Parts: sequence; C-alpha cells; structure tokens
Amino acid sequence: AQSVTQLGSHVSVSEGALVLLRCNYSSSVPPYLFWYVQYPNQGLQLLLKYTTGATLVKGINGFEAEFKKSETSFHLTKPSAHMSDAAEYFCAVSESQAGTALIFGKGTTLSVSS
Amino acid sequence: DGGITQSPKYLFRKEGQNVTLSCEQNLNHDAMYWYRQDPGQGLRLIYYSQIVNDFQKGDIAEGYSVSREKKESFPLTVTSAQKNPTAFYLCASSTRTDDFRGYTFGSGTRLTVV
Repeated sequence: AQSVTQLGSHVSVSEGALVLLRCNYSSSVPPYLFWYVQYPNQGLQLLLKYTTGATLVKGINGFEAEFKKSETSFHLTKPSAHMSDAAEYFCAVSESQAGTALIFGKGTTLSVSS
Repeated sequence: DGGITQSPKYLFRKEGQNVTLSCEQNLNHDAMYWYRQDPGQGLRLIYYSQIVNDFQKGDIAEGYSVSREKKESFPLTVTSAQKNPTAFYLCASSTRTDDFRGYTFGSGTRLTVV
C-alpha cells in the first residue's frame, strides 16, 4: 500500500531564508509524486509534479523538488522564502496509473517571519 | 475558464439531518473524488468515481453516499449515520489518460453541525 510521510507538521523560517519541506513515500510501483499548497479556507493548488523523466522538478512560485528513488524522498525547496509563502503544503503520491486516487500526507504548515 | 465548483461554501447541519454537497466540473475530466480534511490529519479519501455510473469507496466512506449520473457532477451526501461530520470537504477531478497531471480542486465546503 502507498503512504506518504511529511516530517514536521510545522516549519518556521525567516523571510529570505531557505525553505525545506520534507516528504518520504512508500510505493510498490513507480510513483507519481506531487506537492500542493493550500491557503486558509481554500482548495489545493498544484505546485509541481514528478511523473517520469528529469528527477529535479521546477514548479510555480520558485519552488522545486527532487525525486530520489534510493531515499524514497521528494523534498520541496525554495532558496528564499517570501511572506506570501506562508501556507499549508501537502505531499501526495499515486501509482503510475491514470485515474488512481492520490494519497496525501498530513501536511506541513509553513510560517514566514519578517 | 474551465474549473471545478463546489457549493455551498458554508453549510450548517442539524443533528439527524442529511445534507448534500454539490460538485460540478467543466474540465471534461472522467475521474472525480471527494476528500475530507480535518486539522492535522491531511486529506482522507471518502469516495471516488472514474466513470459515469460507477464509484468506489475510499478510506472513510461510512456515513457518506455519492452518485455519478453525469460526467460533470459528483454530489456527496452526508447522512445522519456520519457521527462527526464537521469538517472541510474538498472535491477534485482528473483525467484518466496516460497524461495524468494530478488533480484540480474545488474551493471546498465547510460543514458544521449545530
């Protein structure tokens, strides 16, 4: 069975500092991996995805993530945090089959201080 | 613009009542999903449907029911059998082709039992 573990339910950084949100997955087949962002009382917005090909994936708002099969990880990074990055972030995994339901991690709340 | 619409945004339910949450999409997506979100628990899958007139239970289907009579619509009924329905409910849709790009989410319905 697939699963996702997000390490750290809450991460705090200063504006301009590196953002690192950790995600480890478990999957018996090649996975599709996703990061979503959620602002209060809103739906989830796709930040980036890994399906096949290049393991370093670039997304919106300056975020990127690297798929490391040997470490079963898909950590999200951003070189310089901005106040507007404060939100909740979810990592998700699905089997590499069309239409398969996504399994989500429990989320990491990112706080950014000035 | 194509998108996915959830209504209402806020919903109040009395004890013992059934309520129905609406989800409509005009993205021509085959697959649709319902998730429940509670603080600190991430998103948990209630039901999903990959094709009209067919749907499958997710991890927490007890106390909920769905229908998929049209491709565009996937309403969720929260029945009186659901003992703790207060939560944020998210609907999503996706393609079923090999070019799986993740989900498009609605903006959610917040259900409160009064």
